[in-house]
Amino acid sequence: AQKITQTQPGMFVQEKEAVTLDCTYDTSDPSYGLFWYKQPSSGEMIFLIYQGSYDQQNATEGRYSLNFQKARKSANLVISASQLGDSAMYFCAMREPYGNNRLAFGKGNQVVVIP
Amino acid sequence: DVKVTQSSRYLVKRTGEKVFLECVQDMDHENMFWYRQDPGLGLRLIYFSYDVKMKEKGDIPEGYSVSREKKERFSLILESASTNQTSMYLCASRLGSVSNQPQHFGDGTRLSIL
Repeated sequence: AQKITQTQPGMFVQEKEAVTLDCTYDTSDPSYGLFWYKQPSSGEMIFLIYQGSYDQQNATEGRYSLNFQKARKSANLVISASQLGDSAMYFCAMREPYGNNRLAFGKGNQVVVIP
Repeated sequence: DVKVTQSSRYLVKRTGEKVFLECVQDMDHENMFWYRQDPGLGLRLIYFSYDVKMKEKGDIPEGYSVSREKKERFSLILESASTNQTSMYLCASRLGSVSNQPQHFGDGTRLSIL
């Protein structure tokens, strides 16, 4: 069964605007972690932000913030003030609690920032 | 900064060849991972290792093996390459003892099997 769901089609975003990328997850374990990665066209995977299931506050990291809604099992990434360099694929991932720190990845969201 | 280095960015091999993909990390991380990435399928875990000489199968281990003789190096081996193994391969490492630590990735190897 799919554990991480990212279903948005490719998105075009105007430069300087905010964009929200949806991620829903499925787990019955109370202890888990959620990660977001960025993959530009060059191919490297870049870690952006982490949210632990017990964290009381939404994670923030510069222009990246995570809208964590635990009851809905949702962990949406918000990118504020989009820049051209934000054009990339974005992947949501969940650390599996009993999997030796394995990550289950979603299939990604494509974002293109236009000037 | 963590540095994960994959030996090749691009590699072309022939069907039936034995192919080695090498990955080295410089941060003394216990955990290392090999993924393949295909359009529309996201990242799929092939094998991982949580310490030296330890390995576990991921979701798609068929046709692959791995070797972890030293902590810093994790090798992926295609025993007899086939065209359906043409893909992007990504290596990652992670500090094992802390739950909130992310996986750090190399730049990837785009492997073509002809």
